[in-house]
Amino acid sequence: IVLTQSPGTLSLSPGERATLSCRASQTVYSNYLAWYQQKPGQAPRLLIYGVSSRATGIPARFSGSGSGTDFTLTISEVEPDDFAVYYCQQFGSAPFTFGPGTKVDF
Amino acid sequence: QVDLQESGPTLVKPSQTLSLTCTVSGGSINSGAYSWSWIRQAPGKGLEWIGCIYYTGITYDNPSLKSRVSLSVDISKNQISLRLASVTAADTAEYYCVRGGLWFGDFGAAFDIWGRGTMVTVSS
Repeated sequence: IVLTQSPGTLSLSPGERATLSCRASQTVYSNYLAWYQQKPGQAPRLLIYGVSSRATGIPARFSGSGSGTDFTLTISEVEPDDFAVYYCQQFGSAPFTFGPGTKVDF
Repeated sequence: QVDLQESGPTLVKPSQTLSLTCTVSGGSINSGAYSWSWIRQAPGKGLEWIGCIYYTGITYDNPSLKSRVSLSVDISKNQISLRLASVTAADTAEYYCVRGGLWFGDFGAAFDIWGRGTMVTVSS
């Protein structure tokens, strides 16, 4: 399954709303879709799994939605710590695949 | 708290085999719930899933790597190992050991715990 993310880069100011899109080339089985955040020099961190469930310790400003082939990650009010690259990933069928990422910056 | 630590050579010559080990602490790799995956990231690039192994020996790997991948588990040492044969410069990447992929042997586990990663360079 090929995942496409848009936009490639999202330029925002703190306090603004971020909407990140992920589209799959075919239906993601059982909505096994996750989102990860990666900051420079760090390993990725799981934010959202199963489309909309927040991982442990993830703030409520992060939310996920969607189904089938179209998914969205929303950051309600971007904070300075949120500037990073975000990847979507499907884990419903092998090979597990990642999208190319969306960079959220100033 | 589960922690993952990758180890192995940081420099590998072209055509040789890359070998990495992941030591799991704070939990047992044969707990039954999760599989263990390897994911890599070339410099400045995105994430690529390499493969995963369940403690029973069930494995999946990425066809894009053309059968160069071998995965194994050592339950006595609580370790997972990756071997990638016939490496080229395109295999230069940060390699991550990650918990996830399979859930009780079937699909359905996101990658929730990541090691810090180890950078492997392929060069003569």
